Amino acid sequence: DGGITQSPKYLFRKEGQNVTLSCEQNLNHDAMYWYRQDPGQGLRLIYYSQIVNDFQKGDIAEGYSVSREKKESFPLTVTSAQKNPTAFYLCASSITLGTQYFGPGTRLTVL
Amino acid sequence: KQEVTQIPAALSVPEGENLVLNCSFTDSAIYNLQWFRQDPGKGLTSLLLIQSSQREQTSGRLNASLDKSSGRSTLYIAASQPGDSATYLCAVVTQGGSEKLVFGKGTKLTVNP
Repeated sequence: DGGITQSPKYLFRKEGQNVTLSCEQNLNHDAMYWYRQDPGQGLRLIYYSQIVNDFQKGDIAEGYSVSREKKESFPLTVTSAQKNPTAFYLCASSITLGTQYFGPGTRLTVL
Repeated sequence: KQEVTQIPAALSVPEGENLVLNCSFTDSAIYNLQWFRQDPGKGLTSLLLIQSSQREQTSGRLNASLDKSSGRSTLYIAASQPGDSATYLCAVVTQGGSEKLVFGKGTKLTVNP
């Protein structure tokens, strides 16, 4: 059953806490992406990776970190430096310049 | 900097109507354009991808056109159904060094039975 998965579906964070969102794909895609979606703002790119062990900042990378140690996995850490982390986070993957396939999303709420 | 605009922001139509969603982008140097569908609280589902060399793509009741020189794309939905109710997002990949998608804010479509 091929696809892209994200976990958890819902995540709650206390002030000053780091949390990590999981993204896994078994589509054999080289590229992976993290987006943030806020009401009325559309999707904004946080980080992307075009190959294992390499990644680049997107438009709103401050307060976030990523790693790409395996082709299948691209976890996103929301650090305490991110002042307004409450949002819907979406992960995607693709072949080079191909269709981007999205996971089901993780909704993060700060308590 | 590439900017993508979608008009209208919301649209409500009766079942069976044919409709057109609009997308415009400021930088015509694109690799491709994608249309997505998003249901409330869910991820995005890819509907159609149009390469920069193509003029249109069709899938079932959906037809997307691309006029790169004028920076416009339209998504045509034929014989709309209540199940088509969702937010439709347009996104482009701009030429010049990365494969980043730049998204519009979407059109929220409601098809009334």
